[in-house]
Amino acid sequence: DTGVSQNPRHKITKRGQNVTFRCDPISEHNRLYWYRQTLGQGPEFLTYFQNEAQLEKSRLLSDRFSAERPKGSFSTLEIQRTEQGDSAMYLCASSPSVGFIDTQYFGPGTRLTVL
Amino acid sequence: AQKITQTQPGMFVQEKEAVTLDCTYDTSDPSYGLFWYKQPSSGEMIFLIYQGSYDQQNATEGRYSLNFQKARKSANLVISASQLGDSAMYFCAMREGAQAGTALIFGKGTTLSVSS
Repeated sequence: DTGVSQNPRHKITKRGQNVTFRCDPISEHNRLYWYRQTLGQGPEFLTYFQNEAQLEKSRLLSDRFSAERPKGSFSTLEIQRTEQGDSAMYLCASSPSVGFIDTQYFGPGTRLTVL
Repeated sequence: AQKITQTQPGMFVQEKEAVTLDCTYDTSDPSYGLFWYKQPSSGEMIFLIYQGSYDQQNATEGRYSLNFQKARKSANLVISASQLGDSAMYFCAMREGAQAGTALIFGKGTTLSVSS
């Protein structure tokens, strides 16, 4: 059973450029989450999908951020006009469609560095 | 106010000893779930253990157990017989409410260092 995968693992970009990250959840999971983690902090929630529907967005998700999950499988997170404050680890998690516990399983993350 | 508080920035333990990592939480919702995750230097968050607010018994998973004290709003992680591979960041997290698809709220984490 493969886990959550994320690509790329590392991304270095210049301020003002656009970047896109991809997340492939565990295959039978219909719930998908994006989190951001800065140095020395715990992850902070960005957005949540159930199948292809984006059901919740955090205030952290500014207008420069957009997330999609077009067919209810993989998801992409795009950051436009990156700023140095966007430098962080971006984590994706998925959880199964059944069960109350709703344990979220995380991918290895994409580490973004904005120069 | 912090929803999840982890007061120990760093903990040190020797191999084969037990260690307790503290976590207190704050919620007015009667239904919630508490999770512990391990984050090695590679970055991936690894799920360790779960405790539901209505669970009568403390959760256990192998060498991990959760000391759940509901009245004190604490959910401390106990790792027995520490191993070198346990060295990592440990995060306590909470999901408020009974509905699935709710975001996790994380604490700031505790760095555990296990020495031989």
